[in-house]
Amino acid sequence: SQTIHQWPATLVQPVGSPLSLECTVEGTSNPNLYWYRQAAGRGLQLLFYSVGIGQISSEVPQNLSASRPQDRQFILSSKKLLLSDSGFYLCAWSGIGYEQYFGPGTRLTVT
Amino acid sequence: QKEVEQNSGPLSVPEGAIASLNCTYSDRVSQSFFWYRQYSGKSPELIMSIYSNGDKEDGRFTAQLNKASQYVSLLIRDSQPSDSATYLCAVQTGANNLFFGTGTRLTVIP
Repeated sequence: SQTIHQWPATLVQPVGSPLSLECTVEGTSNPNLYWYRQAAGRGLQLLFYSVGIGQISSEVPQNLSASRPQDRQFILSSKKLLLSDSGFYLCAWSGIGYEQYFGPGTRLTVT
Repeated sequence: QKEVEQNSGPLSVPEGAIASLNCTYSDRVSQSFFWYRQYSGKSPELIMSIYSNGDKEDGRFTAQLNKASQYVSLLIRDSQPSDSATYLCAVQTGANNLFFGTGTRLTVIP
């Protein structure tokens, strides 16, 4: 069965510091991978998606970037965090169908 | 602008009642529709998918789709306190992506 991991689970970072969040998927090959952000009391905002190694599509221009160095690994990064980057970051995968399955998420607080 | 709209609630129902959650969407070409359940502080969990007009039942859950009216709903029969959560409607948009509504918060009162 497929499993998706995210780490860390929680993170508190000062404004201007860098960020690296990692997501890995087990039990499937060549998944589509997604990064979402959910701000407090708001809906899911798609940040990036990837259909293969090195292929990244950005949905929202901002100070975040994503990379997919391996088939089942997806990384979200920032060089300098802003207060507005606080939120619940969710990684998801999908296979042949459109169903997306979410990881446990990383709760980021920028102070 | 592709949109998915849900009543934010909160929707309160007594234990054992039927909870009815509704969602409308704007993109007429969408073909795939999903309901996710999100407990407070947790990530969304897929509970239902529907692709054709009509009803689809899975245990206590029934999803209903009307493409002509651009309307999707989720019925939860015999509601339990453990059903208390935020329910997200998601609509396929484009080749790979889903567009999510902001969710309806459901509270089942014992």
